[in-house]
Amino acid sequence: DTEVTQTPKHLVMGMTNKKSLKCEQHMGHRAMYWYKQKAKKPPELMFVYSYEKLSINESVPSRFSPECPNSSLLNLHLHALQPEDSALYLCASSQDRGDRETQYFGPGTRLLVL
Amino acid sequence: AQSVAQPEDQVNVAEGNPLTVKCTYSVSGNPYLFWYVQYPNRGLQFLLKYITGDNLVKGSYGFEAEFNKSQTSFHLKKPSALVSDSALYFCAVRPNNQAGTALIFGKGTTLSVSS
Repeated sequence: DTEVTQTPKHLVMGMTNKKSLKCEQHMGHRAMYWYKQKAKKPPELMFVYSYEKLSINESVPSRFSPECPNSSLLNLHLHALQPEDSALYLCASSQDRGDRETQYFGPGTRLLVL
Repeated sequence: AQSVAQPEDQVNVAEGNPLTVKCTYSVSGNPYLFWYVQYPNRGLQFLLKYITGDNLVKGSYGFEAEFNKSQTSFHLKKPSALVSDSALYFCAVRPNNQAGTALIFGKGTTLSVSS
């Protein structure tokens, strides 16, 4: 089973709201990722967690705050977002951060910021 | 700079015909290469990868890809296209011996299979 689940599927929020995206995997993977994807563009890496520790932050604005409560869960906390942050947010996981490891993606959360 | 190129924004093919989606790469050292497919309003699905060994890699849904080191290419192929193959396809690369580097994605190619 190579399933990564994400909730919610859709989210509409105002610029003053605080919301969270959730990602879960039960494959025993120790690396988890957040990507942002605009329509018909490739995903852009935001954060990488390895063994529940943040290992890569691709200069993401502080209005995005990741959290990895345990090895199966990854959250993305959102606060004071801008309309340009509207996008599909994808979570992925891999066995570890090794270069040859396959990343498996969830279905994404489609976020609209009004 | 390390990069992946998908030279075609769109590929059109009739159902039953063979299809090819092109990918070339530029990385230092030997690459690890991946293909993903994305259906509308969905996440990316892993199709196949090349790590080492046989240059012809077989993957999901009847897809295969051939690693060509001299041409730095990793084209995705399928002998007989289905309408259900219509989707957005991404090639991605990771240079080896650089632990922790991110996947480098191509811009994507939209495949349209007509009946």
